[in-house]
Amino acid sequence: ETGVTQTPRHLVMGMTNKKSLKCEQHLGHNAMYWYKQSAKKPLELMFVYNFKEQTENNSVPSRFSPECPNSSHLFLHLHTLQPEDSALYLCASSQVSGYRTEAFFGQGTRLTVV
Amino acid sequence: GEDVEQSLFLSVREGDSSVINCTYTDSSSTYLYWYKQEPGAGLQLLTYIFSNMDMKQDQRLTVLLNKKDKHLSLRIADTQTGDSAIYFCAESSNRGSTLGRLYFGRGTQLTVWP
Repeated sequence: ETGVTQTPRHLVMGMTNKKSLKCEQHLGHNAMYWYKQSAKKPLELMFVYNFKEQTENNSVPSRFSPECPNSSHLFLHLHTLQPEDSALYLCASSQVSGYRTEAFFGQGTRLTVV
Repeated sequence: GEDVEQSLFLSVREGDSSVINCTYTDSSSTYLYWYKQEPGAGLQLLTYIFSNMDMKQDQRLTVLLNKKDKHLSLRIADTQTGDSAIYFCAESSNRGSTLGRLYFGRGTQLTVWP
């Protein structure tokens, strides 16, 4: 496979469930990102990992827990979510070189919290 | 205000040119990008321009940058129905502490009528 792959593509979960989103990049990039895309809102950056180290956490509630075990894999662990967390969750990777950041995105996971 | 602003909607007839506009606030922006998102998909990088350039052309796409006015535009020549999508403007700069940070606009929904 090439590019950035996200699984699952669709997820429906109850508010008491625990689930994980997975992202894998095959591009040899050194940075990975989680974004949240909700209807009628700007794209929200949630977490940034550079060289497996978390470098940004944009005031994301603790019910979202990221994990980056290596430079190719990124997870988003979900627990006790709220209906307003329903959104498209996008993973991206990039090779950060200076301030040039060509981010490549996965297809996203459409999450519905019921 | 937001860091990057775009108009939300644009409609054009097939065969006409489309021009999608974007304004940004950070004068230290180094790279500016255009992404395309088709329904149910992630964001696809279309093109980017370095801040010391005024124009970049790539087949049907022309990017114009007015750094003085902090204005970026994407022109699509001979627009086709397959160009219907949401187009995001984004910029990266040396502000903040995170390399690889992209700032996105809300996206412009382009609708192409046959």
